[in-house]
Amino acid sequence: GAGVSQSPSNKVTEKGKDVELRCDPISGHTALYWYRQSLGQGLEFLIYFQGNSAPDKSGLPSDRFSAERTGGSVSTLTIQRTQQEDSAVYLCASSLVPRLAAPQETQYFGPGTRLLVL
Amino acid sequence: QKEVEQDPGPLSVPEGAIVSLNCTYSNSAFQYFMWYRQYSRKGPELLMYTYSSGNKEDGRFTAQVDKSSKYISLFIRDSQPSDSATYLCAMSGWQAGTALIFGKGTTLSVSS
Repeated sequence: GAGVSQSPSNKVTEKGKDVELRCDPISGHTALYWYRQSLGQGLEFLIYFQGNSAPDKSGLPSDRFSAERTGGSVSTLTIQRTQQEDSAVYLCASSLVPRLAAPQETQYFGPGTRLLVL
Repeated sequence: QKEVEQDPGPLSVPEGAIVSLNCTYSNSAFQYFMWYRQYSRKGPELLMYTYSSGNKEDGRFTAQVDKSSKYISLFIRDSQPSDSATYLCAMSGWQAGTALIFGKGTTLSVSS
């Protein structure tokens, strides 16, 4: 079956512009995560969606970042007024069971969106 | 101090070598320990996971957890060029917020 897909693969934008990144999780996966991977910084948790529950936004670095998940499936991460420090790879992952049920449950990652803010 | 420390490398070894990758952590609430492998321009994929202390073996890969020392390792035997990738350790636990906390990753290059 299809894995997690993300679009666009690459995005170049100018400082101050807004960007939208899309994630299509594996069908049937109830949990969806966004991470940011910066050079030399590892993976940084951003936000977690589980079903219809309120998302865990504890990892969002500023109020310029927001995300939504429509219909329990596709998710969009929006960065407003982009800054150069937002340049990174944004990774989406999904898993079959809720995080609290099994924290070790495999997260399946997409290929990421490489964002470059000029 | 970061919750999870991992030497970023890079680490270069010849084909057939034994590779040791390590992470240290500070939060004693971590219970689940994972190793992810990430090829260039791809997302990470789960390689192995262990619960609490002990060893786990899967083919050429062995994961070790020493909770008393807050130290985890991944050993790769008979390394192959196809093992060339970035290896990320990750941890979580019920009392640690359940979010996966990743190390920065170690880049491994295996030459033929």
